[in-house]
Amino acid sequence: ILNVEQSPQSLHVQEGDSTNFTCSFPSSNFYALHWYRWETAKSPEALFVMTLNGDEKKKGRISATLNTKEGYSYLYIKGSQPEDSATYLCAFPASSGNTPLVFGKGTRLSVIA
Amino acid sequence: DSGVTQTPKHLITATGQRVTLRCSPRSGDLSVYWYQQSLDQGLQFLIQYYNGEERAKGNILERFSAQQFPDLHSELNLSSLELGDSALYFCASSAGRGNSPLHFGNGTRLTVT
Repeated sequence: ILNVEQSPQSLHVQEGDSTNFTCSFPSSNFYALHWYRWETAKSPEALFVMTLNGDEKKKGRISATLNTKEGYSYLYIKGSQPEDSATYLCAFPASSGNTPLVFGKGTRLSVIA
Repeated sequence: DSGVTQTPKHLITATGQRVTLRCSPRSGDLSVYWYQQSLDQGLQFLIQYYNGEERAKGNILERFSAQQFPDLHSELNLSSLELGDSALYFCASSAGRGNSPLHFGNGTRLTVT
């Protein structure tokens, strides 16, 4: 059974702090790694899809890195703002090609003003 | 706006009843996925359709069924409802490759009383 682990489960930071969290996934048969942001009362929204070992993606103050050999990805938020408060999900395709994503349980981030 | 339309937004029904959840995918997306999010659980994959055909099945109960129609909209039918079926049900669509991001609808909140 495919398992995607995220840590920590939740995080509280002060406005302006930088933070990061981890997604661990099976390193064999890697195809892609997805990150989503899920704000309360909204639906999950895609942040990044990463496919290459060593890949780094950036969107504003949010960036992500990927290590497919050891099976982990980090999501970084620089200078957290209250609007960054959300649950951050990572997901992994069950196999290559046209297959559903297996989601981790997410990291719930609260940014305190 | 993800381009994925889900209806209804809320459903309240009694145990033993049957309901139908509807989803229209983003224009051009051939894959439709259904996910369930219960209290304290992550997004659990139920079922995937691709261009009208069932593609993958996850933890979907026998009381639940789904289909994708020629116009690519999809319906999830939940029957003999139990209290434990109360959850947020999401539909998502994608182009259908493992590196294609999912686009989520706003979800249907089902409450079984």
